[in-house]
Amino acid sequence: DTGVSQDPRHKITKRGQNVTFRCDPISEHNRLYWYRQTLGQGPEFLTYFQNEAQLEKSRLLSDRFSAERPKGSFSTLEIQRTEQGDSAMYLCASQRLVLGELFFGEGSRLTVL
Amino acid sequence: GESVGLHLPTLSVQEGDNSIINCAYSNSASDYFIWYKQESGKGPQFIIDIRSNMDKRQGQRVTVLLNKTVKHLSLQIAATQPGDSAVYFCAELNTGNQFYFGTGTSLTVIP
Repeated sequence: DTGVSQDPRHKITKRGQNVTFRCDPISEHNRLYWYRQTLGQGPEFLTYFQNEAQLEKSRLLSDRFSAERPKGSFSTLEIQRTEQGDSAMYLCASQRLVLGELFFGEGSRLTVL
Repeated sequence: GESVGLHLPTLSVQEGDNSIINCAYSNSASDYFIWYKQESGKGPQFIIDIRSNMDKRQGQRVTVLLNKTVKHLSLQIAATQPGDSAVYFCAELNTGNQFYFGTGTSLTVIP
């Protein structure tokens, strides 16, 4: 257990529905990342926060995806109007130092039917 | 753009042998690298890291080697155990402070 928790661990939804994932990072970590991972691939960067500021978003991230970290603690990732191609594992990671390891949660697996 | 790739997608070793997993990176400006282990259904787990001002770093049963001349990274696992079976990723910190991950190598340890 790295100390990063994600909820829910599994989500099955129908195409067109909205889903929201939550991440609680390690409390003293200022930086929080979201990654997406599909089967057989490495994690793909989506976005990251320094405290409550969203500093960067992947250009691969469509407008249907939005992430927030309102108080610089937990973060949410919302996917609107889900598509089957959104099916993946969504990983959250937190980091204390810029040159330091990312501590990953166990991920939230999304299945879009 | 940056790319991080692995030479071999799968690797099988006998228990007790040493394992070597390789990784190529393309951004010569990257100055920080991490190896992660990921077991099925779990998030990636940190193994070892290395800064670009080093060419070797050792941990418990693991060694990372960095060759900046050819932009190559390797992970050596000594006396491989069944619990080492997993997918291993190298990750590169790019100039935008994002980590890019390779595709991964699946290591299978044969008892």
